[in-house]
Amino acid sequence: RKEVEQDPGPFNVPEGATVAFNCTYSNSASQSFFWYRQDCRKEPKLLMSVYSSGNEDGRFTAQLNRASQYISLLIRDSKLSDSATYLCGTGTASKLTFGTGTRLQVTL
Amino acid sequence: NAGVMQNPRHLVRRRGQEARLRCSPVKGHSHVYWYRQLPEEGLKFMVYLQKENIIDESGMPKERFSAEFPKEGPSILRIQQVVRGDSAAYFCASSPRRDEQFFGPGTRLTVL
Repeated sequence: RKEVEQDPGPFNVPEGATVAFNCTYSNSASQSFFWYRQDCRKEPKLLMSVYSSGNEDGRFTAQLNRASQYISLLIRDSKLSDSATYLCGTGTASKLTFGTGTRLQVTL
Repeated sequence: NAGVMQNPRHLVRRRGQEARLRCSPVKGHSHVYWYRQLPEEGLKFMVYLQKENIIDESGMPKERFSAEFPKEGPSILRIQQVVRGDSAAYFCASSPRRDEQFFGPGTRLTVL
């Protein structure tokens, strides 16, 4: 079993739709959690950290469920520019472990 | 505010040559991480360094790969005697603490 698992997608959604991704992790010692966005042939860019209390940044909401060991990302009112691969990462003191990413394609 | 800088952005080597990848972290960041990404695969952790120290190298192949982060200058990832399987994108990330990591643009290594 992979340490961090994501549905690879692609998720094809129309502009304006709401879309949600989940990510499960197996290492119960994970201490930090992040969502990154990666465009084709570019570096991952930090989208948001994920906290137990949940956090929101504009159209993006992230949640952490430690008991079930998953994190989620909700994107509201999708824009064409949201099309990318979304990576979840879980961290211990020394490194991040990433899923293979979920690909999102927002269409007109 | 310069972000993480990596060079070269593209590197072509023939089998058996050496590859040197450089990473300058964000100014003030003392934690540096190297990751490798193969096509259609996720980012794989390789090594975590602080100035002059390797903290965690659990993701580094046992042979041919080494990394350093000297007191002065950039962090270096060195691959000796490259093979075709080393072809990948190598990303460096830096962090001011042991949390959020900010990635550089990567070095795309192609081994002929």
